[in-house]
Amino acid sequence: AQSVTQLDSQVPVFEEAPVELRCNYSSSVSVYLFWYVQYPNQGLQLLLKYLSGSTLVESINGFEAEFNKSQTSFHLRKPSVHISDTAEYFCAALNAGKSTFGDGTTLTVKP
Amino acid sequence: EAGVTQFPSHSVIEKGQTVTLRCDPISGHDNLYWYRRVMGKEIKFLLHFVKESKQDESGMPNNRFLAERTGGTYSTLKVQPAELEDSGVYFCASSPLPLTDTQYFGPGTRLTVL
Repeated sequence: AQSVTQLDSQVPVFEEAPVELRCNYSSSVSVYLFWYVQYPNQGLQLLLKYLSGSTLVESINGFEAEFNKSQTSFHLRKPSVHISDTAEYFCAALNAGKSTFGDGTTLTVKP
Repeated sequence: EAGVTQFPSHSVIEKGQTVTLRCDPISGHDNLYWYRRVMGKEIKFLLHFVKESKQDESGMPNNRFLAERTGGTYSTLKVQPAELEDSGVYFCASSPLPLTDTQYFGPGTRLTVL
């Protein structure tokens, strides 16, 4: 069975600071990895995904994540956050049509 | 292109009542999934349809939950009778074939059972 662990439940940072949201997964088979974001009072939105190929994937709003097979990690990073990045972030692993999610990390960006 | 839609957005019912949640997937997506997030815990898989057939219902918590997908289009998830522990946010997602494709999520239905 696969599992996903998000190591931080709450991450408070100041605006324009860098941030890293950590995600580790465990699976005995190949998985596809995703980060979703949920803004207040909205649904889940796909932020970025790793299916194959380059281990560094980027989103359109400046986030990036690196797939590290040896460390079974898929950490999400952004070099400079904005107030508008305040949201809950979910890491997920997809295998055989079933997504397994972490508990979520609430990112709070303070002015 | 319209995204995944869910109805209602919120539902408040009393214990013992019945509630039916609806999900309309993205047009052309054969795969439809239901997930649930209870009390701020992780989002958990409930079941997976391929067209009108249940492919995997291993996550359904008990027989009070019934999911259908008539004609392979929209899906309903009925909870009867509802219990307090059923409160949470129910997400629907859809994806095209194959199963490695990205799952696109709806906004969720927040269910509160009093």
